[in-house]
This record gives sequence, C-alpha cells and structure tokens, in this order.
Amino acid sequence: GAGVSQSPRYKVAKRGQDVALRCDPISGHVSLFWYQQALGQGPEFLTYFQNEAQLDKSGLPSDRFFAERPEGSVSTLKIQRTQQEDSAVYLCASSSPKSGSWDEQFFGPGTRLTVL
Amino acid sequence: AQRVTQPEKLLSVFKGAPVELKCNYSYSGSPELFWYVQYSRQRLQLLLRHISRESIKGFTADLNKGETSFHLKKPFAQEEDSAMYYCALQPDSWGKLQFGAGTQVVVTP
Repeated sequence: GAGVSQSPRYKVAKRGQDVALRCDPISGHVSLFWYQQALGQGPEFLTYFQNEAQLDKSGLPSDRFFAERPEGSVSTLKIQRTQQEDSAVYLCASSSPKSGSWDEQFFGPGTRLTVL
Repeated sequence: AQRVTQPEKLLSVFKGAPVELKCNYSYSGSPELFWYVQYSRQRLQLLLRHISRESIKGFTADLNKGETSFHLKKPFAQEEDSAMYYCALQPDSWGKLQFGAGTQVVVTP
C-alpha cells in the first residue's frame, strides 16, 4: 500500500510569505506527527495529532507555525511570514498505536523549504 | 530534560570490519529506544527497537540502563550499510520521538 506522502516536495519562499505543507498519512493511521529537520541535525518534534485532536504542540517554535488535521486524515502545516531560520526539511510521520504498545512511526519523504 | 547524544558525526569503516555507532541518552524514566536509518535518496525508516530484541540486517543494539546507552553494532559491515543512522528516544508509547543528530556511516570496499 501507499506510504506517507507529502507535498510539495520542494518549496522556495521569499521571506515574509506564507506557506502550507501537506501530509497524507497512511490510511487508518490514528497518530500523525510533524518534525522539523535543519541541515546537519536530527529531526525535531513540532506537533502531534490523534485523529483530529492536536494533543501536543509543544515543539512549534513560534506562533507563526500552525497545524491542523480537521477530518483526522490529511494534515497541513502552515508557516506564516516565513523567516530564513524556517529553512529546513519538514517531515510528517504516522502510526497506528495499539494500547500499551510502542508502534513504529512511518515517515514521509519530507518537504524541503528554502526561505530566501 | 531528555536528550539523545550521538558523538560521532561520521564513521568510516572498511567492508567486513565491525562497526559500532554510539548513542547515549538522558531521561529520568524508562523510555523506549529506537534506531532509524536513512539510505541515500530514501525516507527515514525504522531499523530496530529495543523492545523487539531483534537483529535486523545483522545489526543489534543493547540497552545499558546503567550507562544510559543504546549502541548499535554489526560484526561485519557491508557496502549497503552506508547510510545516515539516528538514535531516538520515545518517552511514551504514543508520543513524539527525540532524535540524536545522526551518524553518517560510510563503508568502503
């Protein structure tokens, strides 16, 4: 079956522009995560959804970052008034956690955002 | 605060030689530990997790709670093992992953 997909794969934005990044998780996966990966670093957690509920947004770096998953499937990460420090690869991951188990997160290919 | 440290950014080994990637963590509870791998032009994928006690592609990882380490080992490196390896900690069964900065492994013939 299809894995996690993300679009666009590459995005170039001028400083100050708003961008929207899309994630299509694996069908039926309840949990969805967004991570930000700066050059030369490991992925860093941004936010987590269980179905449509955003249960953890502690990793969002500023109020310019906003994520939603209105119907519990597709998710959008929006960055307003982009800054150069927002340049990174944005990864989406989904999983289907069973009660009491540690479930694998399946990652998408990422969206590489470059802010000029 | 939880933290994952991978002290080596780059590890270069010869084919057939043993390889060990170091991972140390700091966390007050009992987290689950993972190794993720990213091959060239591929997406990040799970290699192995502590709870499964598996050996995947010849790799094993032992959790040492006393030293708070989860080093990844393989006795005989292969060229196809060349990739970026990330150690990750998950404090809750449903929650976010905390990644280290990664170790690039290059296996030369």
